[in-house]
Amino acid sequence: AQTVTQSQPEMSVQEAETVTLSCTYDTSESDYYLFWYKQPPSRQMILVIRQEAYKQQNATENRFSVNFQKAAKSFSLKISDSQLGDAAMYFCAYRAIIQGAQKLVFGQGTRLTINP
Amino acid sequence: DGGITQSPKYLFRKEGQNVTLSCEQNLNHDAMYWYRQDPGQGLRLIYYSQIVNDFQKGDIAEGYSVSREKKESFPLTVTSAQKNPTAFYLCATRQGAQNYGYTFGSGTRLTVV
Repeated sequence: AQTVTQSQPEMSVQEAETVTLSCTYDTSESDYYLFWYKQPPSRQMILVIRQEAYKQQNATENRFSVNFQKAAKSFSLKISDSQLGDAAMYFCAYRAIIQGAQKLVFGQGTRLTINP
Repeated sequence: DGGITQSPKYLFRKEGQNVTLSCEQNLNHDAMYWYRQDPGQGLRLIYYSQIVNDFQKGDIAEGYSVSREKKESFPLTVTSAQKNPTAFYLCATRQGAQNYGYTFGSGTRLTVV
């Protein structure tokens, strides 16, 4: 079964610094998609970045980038120049296909605090 | 604007009552999902539907029921059989076979009183 593990329940970083959130996953598929979602205090889930497994190039979206290590099944999120608005829960997610149906499997989340 | 509307935002249920959470979308997305969020456990899949009049159980379907009579609507009923229903419930949609992630509603907070 596909599983997603986020080993850091909480992280904190100084404003303007860089922070990396960890995520590992388990799968037997060769082609899949990975996502990072942000959930601010409003609890609205916001897609931050996605990565296709067949692409070797790491995805980037402005200050957000990933380090995708397919062999190690690792998918970490790097946030550069951290801003107060980055404070949120961050969820790593894997797109699974189970019995012909697409589903997102989520990790437990990492709560990120930004210190001014 | 296209989006997902979940209502109500807050819901209180007495012991032994059934309650229904609403999820409506005008994105014309095919697939719809219900997730439950508890502290420290991330999001867990309750039910999902890929097309109208068809739905499947997710990982924690016991005590819940759904219907998909219209493409736009995917209501979730929390029955009295659900022993610990207090949680945050999120509805999500996905368009066809695209892998651009899911679109989420703003959620419903259900509390048993």
